[in-house]
Amino acid sequence: EVQLVESGGDLVQPGGSLRLSCSASEFLFSHYLMTWVRQAPGKGLEWVASINADGGEKNYVDSVKGRFAISRDNAKKSVHLQMKSLRGEDTATYYCARAGSRYSSAVWGNTFYMDVWGKGTTVIVSS
Amino acid sequence: DIQMTQSPSSLSASVGDRVTITCRAGQSISSHVNWYQQKPGKAPRLLIYAASTLQSGVPSRFSGSGSGTDFTLTISSLQPEDFATYYCQQSFNTPLYTFGQGTKLEIK
Repeated sequence: EVQLVESGGDLVQPGGSLRLSCSASEFLFSHYLMTWVRQAPGKGLEWVASINADGGEKNYVDSVKGRFAISRDNAKKSVHLQMKSLRGEDTATYYCARAGSRYSSAVWGNTFYMDVWGKGTTVIVSS
Repeated sequence: DIQMTQSPSSLSASVGDRVTITCRAGQSISSHVNWYQQKPGKAPRLLIYAASTLQSGVPSRFSGSGSGTDFTLTISSLQPEDFATYYCQQSFNTPLYTFGQGTKLEIK
């Protein structure tokens, strides 16, 4: 079964650090762009970070730039999110998601979508 | 950043109703819109990509349309399992993504 499993969520004090991991199975992990998406309690979805298939390109939402770092290990089929200088507003469930792509005549090219999601891991930033 | 604005933010409907949710992009994004369903305590589930293509395994009562800046998700005949929160997402700016704020669909 195609699957993503997150781990590493915890209760951490403001200013602290945490490393989230996401382990993939049953698909060609090294072929896919991978993302992290978070959801604060009672709020909507927020894209956090993306890393391309070979790890050479990384992108972040403005609110985490300079504090979070995404990385991947294709040999171990895993993607990570290193978080530092954590704030209360980083409290959320963090989801790992695969970005699939397919040619679509609707856009006359490839389009991307998050087609596989993990169950999420919870980060609470509080003293 | 490409803003995505959904309406309504919440909606009450009955089983069997036809429901439409709207999403407006802050700039033209061709048909690079995806729709997701999320139930409480669960991860989101992809329903539709490229504005109108149904993801494998998604019931045909779900449909999507639109291009440019205006998009819609329609459920033709609501079923009990459809009561959930729905999100649009732009992928025009891949690998930078933006979600709409969500539409909570509740039972009337």
